[in-house]
Amino acid sequence: LAKTTQPISMDSYEGQEVNITCSHNNIATNDYITWYQQFPSQGPRFIIQGYKTKVTNEVASLFIPADRKSSTLSLPRVSLSDTAVYYCLVGDRNTPLVFGKGTRLSVIA
Amino acid sequence: DAGVTQSPTHLIKTRGQHVTLRCSPISGHKSVSWYQQVLGQGPQFIFQYYEKEERGRGNFPDRFSARQFPNYSSELNVNALLLGDSALYLCASSLHPSYEQYFGPGTRLTVT
Repeated sequence: LAKTTQPISMDSYEGQEVNITCSHNNIATNDYITWYQQFPSQGPRFIIQGYKTKVTNEVASLFIPADRKSSTLSLPRVSLSDTAVYYCLVGDRNTPLVFGKGTRLSVIA
Repeated sequence: DAGVTQSPTHLIKTRGQHVTLRCSPISGHKSVSWYQQVLGQGPQFIFQYYEKEERGRGNFPDRFSARQFPNYSSELNVNALLLGDSALYLCASSLHPSYEQYFGPGTRLTVT
């Protein structure tokens, strides 16, 4: 299973765009990149998933370079309610989810 | 539609006791997975069931067991509780193991 590395924490002001980068140098051909969000005392919530290039949904964008050794989750115009832990996961769709420690994002008014 | 539900919400047990945690998946979902999350860490995979068969098991001792019922609900059992078993236990369901997983709110277990 590919190991991921992401910043332990990040701070941002409301209204700013936040980019969280995840490194996964040993990503395998069949691996997808998935991001989850978790609020305190709640279960993680799926945000976005991608294999290559760019994926966008109503919540976020995911940028994946051609070598797929890293990925960047982009959250446009964050608000206080986006304060949470964000997890980057890499793995085959048929294998269990492997979570790291995630990135604790704090949004400041 | 209701999301994944788990019961109980909170639980306090004493070392050496046994505990059963329950999970009801989203209607139509046939796969259930269990995760343990200790404070400050990401969730760690314990079990995955699909169509009532165990599909995967994480690196947890035999004190941990689970099963899935014909209605696709699931139970996680932990025997001989240790202080280190104190954690948030999360259940996730999906249509199939390779599909997006939806997590429940978890059961907070405290072992004293």
